[in-house]
Amino acid sequence: NAGVTQTPKFRVLKTGQSMTLLCAQDMNHEYMYWYRQDPGMGLRLIHYSVGEGTTAKGEVPDGYNVSRLKKQNFLLGLESAAPSQTSVYFCASSYRAAGGPLDTQYFGPGTRLTVL
Amino acid sequence: AQKITQTQPGMFVQEKEAVTLDCTYDTSDQSYGLFWYKQPSSGEMIFLIYQGSYDEQNATEGRYSLNFQKARKSANLVISASQLGDSAMYFCAMREGYGAAGNKLTFGGGTRVLVKP
Repeated sequence: NAGVTQTPKFRVLKTGQSMTLLCAQDMNHEYMYWYRQDPGMGLRLIHYSVGEGTTAKGEVPDGYNVSRLKKQNFLLGLESAAPSQTSVYFCASSYRAAGGPLDTQYFGPGTRLTVL
Repeated sequence: AQKITQTQPGMFVQEKEAVTLDCTYDTSDQSYGLFWYKQPSSGEMIFLIYQGSYDEQNATEGRYSLNFQKARKSANLVISASQLGDSAMYFCAMREGYGAAGNKLTFGGGTRVLVKP
């Protein structure tokens, strides 16, 4: 099992450029998440999905869009990148559990994005 | 108000000693879950331990234990017999609601631990 993988690992963009980050999981998890982590801080939720074809906003959704066309994939898009979006982006996934240890989210290795 | 507060930005601990990392939380939900993650310098997020709000016993996983004091809304992580490989950033996180709500996590700001030989 590869677990949760993210593509790419690193990316440098110019202001106004667009890009898509890909997250894939092979654990048959229902739920998937995108977080951002700014230097010296904890993770903040951008968007999440509770199943194929569904997405919802998290704490910091502005400037991002997501899609979940397949259960195993969750895409994060930046339509017009801004320097404030320079961050490390983590994808995570979890089972659809009823409030217990199976809620645990498993994280990908992260994507380091710099917007100049 | 902060939902998860980690008041110790950084700590030193001597190898082989125990260390306690503080975490307090704020929620009005009766059902919630508390998680601790480790983030080494390589950057990945590693799940360490889970405590459910209805669990009567403190969670333990190897050298990790969670000191859960529900009335005080605290969920401190205890690492026993520290090793050099324990040097990392540690994050406390809380899940409120579950099922259709998506099991979303809220993270604290983290505590950096440096283990000295």
